[in-house]
Amino acid sequence: DADVTQTPRNRITKTGKRIMLECSQTKGHDRMYWYRQDPGLGLRLIYYSFDVKDINKGEISDGYSVSRQAQAKFSLSLESAIPNQTALYFCATGTSDTKGETQYFGPGTRLLVL
Amino acid sequence: GQSLEQPSEVTAVEGAIVQINCTYQTSGFYGLSWYQQHDGGAPTFLSYNALDGLEETGRFSSFLSRSDSYGYLLLQELQMKDSASYFCAVRRGMLTFGGGTRLMVKP
Repeated sequence: DADVTQTPRNRITKTGKRIMLECSQTKGHDRMYWYRQDPGLGLRLIYYSFDVKDINKGEISDGYSVSRQAQAKFSLSLESAIPNQTALYFCATGTSDTKGETQYFGPGTRLLVL
Repeated sequence: GQSLEQPSEVTAVEGAIVQINCTYQTSGFYGLSWYQQHDGGAPTFLSYNALDGLEETGRFSSFLSRSDSYGYLLLQELQMKDSASYFCAVRRGMLTFGGGTRLMVKP
C-alpha cells in the first residue's frame, strides 16, 4: 500500500467551483505539505503544517486554503477555482533526520479548471 | 528570499557520466537535497548534503560547496531509466525547489 495517497487522481472542474483535494499518509510523519507543479517548472509550496494545530502559508497560498484534520490527513481547497489553477498538485510528508528534511510525495492530482 | 539555478535540460548517451549543477542564493542554509521525478510520477528523494564534500550512493553522487553556494549531482554509467527531471532543493526550515533539469539519455 502507498504511504502517501491523494484523491482524486484527476479532476476537471469549472471556473468558480469549490473543490477539495485530499491527502492521507501512513508514514506517521508530523510534517505535511501541498505543492503545485506547472509544466516544465519546479515545485512551488502552497501550504505546510508541522503538526495538527499548525498551518502555515507557503510561497503561493492566495486562492487556496487547507485543513489538517488529523496527523494523517491534510486537505487542500480551492474556494473558487480559476483556470490558472490548472496544474499538478502534490501532497508530501516530511521528516527531519541525518538526511535533512526528506520529503515523501504522493502520486499527484491533475486538476483542470475550465 | 531564496533562488536556485539549474540548467533546464541536459542530454547524454547511455553509459556516460553527466553532471547537473545547482547554484543557490538563500539567507540561512541547512543543506542541499536532490530529487528525481520521472514523467507522470512523483518526486523521490535521491541525496542530501549538509556539509561540504561528496556523498556517494551507488551510481549517483552529490557534491556541495557551501562557500561557493554550489552543488552538483553526478550520475555515472547512465542508463535509459535515468531519463527524468532532477531537482535541487535547499533546506531552510522547509524545502525550496529549483526549476528542475530534464535529463535525456540517448542510446
